[in-house]
Amino acid sequence: SQQGEEDPQALSIQEGENATMNCSYKTSINNLQWYRQNSGRGLVHLILIRSNEREKHSGRLRVTLDTSKKSSSLLITASRAADTASYFCATDARQGAQKLVFGQGTRLTINP
Amino acid sequence: DAMVIQNPRYQVTQFGKPVTLSCSQTLNHNVMYWYQQKSSQAPKLLFHYYDKDFNNEADTPDNFQSRRPNTSFCFLDIRSPGLGDAAMYLCATSRDSGQGSPYEQYFGPGTRLTVT
Repeated sequence: SQQGEEDPQALSIQEGENATMNCSYKTSINNLQWYRQNSGRGLVHLILIRSNEREKHSGRLRVTLDTSKKSSSLLITASRAADTASYFCATDARQGAQKLVFGQGTRLTINP
Repeated sequence: DAMVIQNPRYQVTQFGKPVTLSCSQTLNHNVMYWYQQKSSQAPKLLFHYYDKDFNNEADTPDNFQSRRPNTSFCFLDIRSPGLGDAAMYLCATSRDSGQGSPYEQYFGPGTRLTVT
């Protein structure tokens, strides 16, 4: 079954606005990762946040993790047209497995 | 630059005709993955190699096979492609975290497979 579920499925905002995407998961995790995928391309890793971390920043990206609610959010500030992409959260599948389970993704469109 | 390379980027095959997709990496990562991604869906893990150890997902059809002759290369073989196998196939690599949970994965650009 899908470990991560994302909300919303699609988001359309104006350039310069902030975009927030949410991810919920079902079982305990060691870490949670966010990836970006431009149309027709491979995924690009954005941020990894460990289960003992609550917040992490990278440039215009801010990720939070609430393990009590089994949820994470990705905030992109001051959005740009180039941020248009699909964003996926991914969690480690189970202890000792070197693999991730991806959520369904949020399709983000930044309108100029 | 170190990277994950997939060839070809686009592949057209006929129904039932075997096809092989290739992936190579210069990152020297010991874990390599193959994903299938259909339109507007999440990447679905088919299998992965931890060094030479092959790990198949329980719901991966037998029609899908893989080979990893050395650290750098990994192949995805589809023995008898059906129309439902048309998808983007993504290769990814990761280094072993040594702690039972994966580090970030590095993806290739993908191979778009069309079955006619």
